[in-house]
Amino acid sequence: DAGITQSPRHKVTETGTPVTLRCHQTENHRYMYWYRQDPGHGLRLIHYSYGVKDTDKGEVSDGYSVSRSKTEDFLLTLESATSSQTSVYFCATLRGLAGDTDTQYFGPGTRLTVL
Amino acid sequence: AQKVTQAQTEISVVEKEDVTLDCVYETRDTTYYLFWYKQPPSGELVFLIRRNSFDEQNEISGRYSWNFQKSTSSFNFTITASQVVDSAVYFCALRRSYGQNFVFGPGTRLSVLP
Repeated sequence: DAGITQSPRHKVTETGTPVTLRCHQTENHRYMYWYRQDPGHGLRLIHYSYGVKDTDKGEVSDGYSVSRSKTEDFLLTLESATSSQTSVYFCATLRGLAGDTDTQYFGPGTRLTVL
Repeated sequence: AQKVTQAQTEISVVEKEDVTLDCVYETRDTTYYLFWYKQPPSGELVFLIRRNSFDEQNEISGRYSWNFQKSTSSFNFTITASQVVDSAVYFCALRRSYGQNFVFGPGTRLSVLP
């Protein structure tokens, strides 16, 4: 358990409004991730970060941006929310060790509804 | 390309039955890592097991066991004497040794009926 919190836990917003989700971790893990979970798709990677100010796109990055100004915080922004972005969003962290002892741990999730 | 397939979308069993969840993966790497996660109805994702590609020894943890077979690219998960608390969505995942990104399967929803 990497001490990962997400805020807000639930949000309802309207189409076209900007939304920012926050992920906070207390374990000083190097890597942080944002996923979305939708029925039939499992978890799909949106963006990830491999260090402060170092981020890269995942498989479903369109319409999303991220920022990481501190090791412990990773923000996901929907610049102009659309109904297709209604989903459950999970943050995850990874310590970043070489070898097989590294495991990804997840936050509790944020349920976002875009009306 | 990396891919994880969980062909069973939903499984229902009666309590105390044994159940196996299938996971088939695709990778060209010789070194990689496989994972299982559990997502109970409360929604959190719980890590269950990690296995590296060099270790094909099966693992047992209480009622849980995992069968890793490189020859068939499978990493199956068996629950013995299932209980209602085992009801959850189970995800299989793959990570390359040279990257830090995970590829998840679509998940299998297990319902254990009393």
